[in-house]
Amino acid sequence: AQSVTQLDSQVPVFEEAPVELRCNYSSSVSVYLFWYVQYPNQGLQLLLKYLSGSTLVESINGFEAEFNKSQTSFHLRKPSVHISDTAEYFCAVSFSGGYNKLIFGAGTRLAVHP
Amino acid sequence: ETGVTQTPRHLVMGMTNKKSLKCEQHLGHNAMYWYKQSAKKPLELMFVYSLEERVENNSVPSRFSPECPNSSHLFLHLHTLQPEDSALYLCASSQDRAGGANVLTFGAGSRLTVL
Repeated sequence: AQSVTQLDSQVPVFEEAPVELRCNYSSSVSVYLFWYVQYPNQGLQLLLKYLSGSTLVESINGFEAEFNKSQTSFHLRKPSVHISDTAEYFCAVSFSGGYNKLIFGAGTRLAVHP
Repeated sequence: ETGVTQTPRHLVMGMTNKKSLKCEQHLGHNAMYWYKQSAKKPLELMFVYSLEERVENNSVPSRFSPECPNSSHLFLHLHTLQPEDSALYLCASSQDRAGGANVLTFGAGSRLTVL
């Protein structure tokens, strides 16, 4: 069965420190991978996505994620976080072959402290 | 306006009230969704509409009734709700049904409190 696991429900970090939010998935077919971010009192918005090609994808605000097929992971990283990165981050997986399903992880709350 | 707009942003209702949540998308998308987001729980997909036809209903109680009159508008009619229905209700849209490379665009949500 397909599933998505975000290993950390909360990640506290100090400003300018590096951070990694972990995401693992299980699937028997090819996948497409997404990270969505939800800032306080807002809906979710797409942060970055992996569809094909280079396994390292980047967002415009300095986040990056690497698709690792052998480890079935899509961890999100940023080398230096800002207070404004405080938000909830959701990993999501969809599947090739016309299977109309998008599965979200439970979310990781990133709290950046000064 | 652009994107996905949800109204009202906040709603407080009693268990015997009838109210509706409204969602409007200005993106020309063909699929629309209702999600429920409760504290400490994963996002729950409630309903999916594709080209105005309901294509998925994830065992949602009948006190929630969706309506999709056209490809730009989606409603969630609420009646005789329970306190455990208090949550953030998110509307989303995508070019085609979720899956594959489709990206969802979410509204800001309607925060519902049932007294």
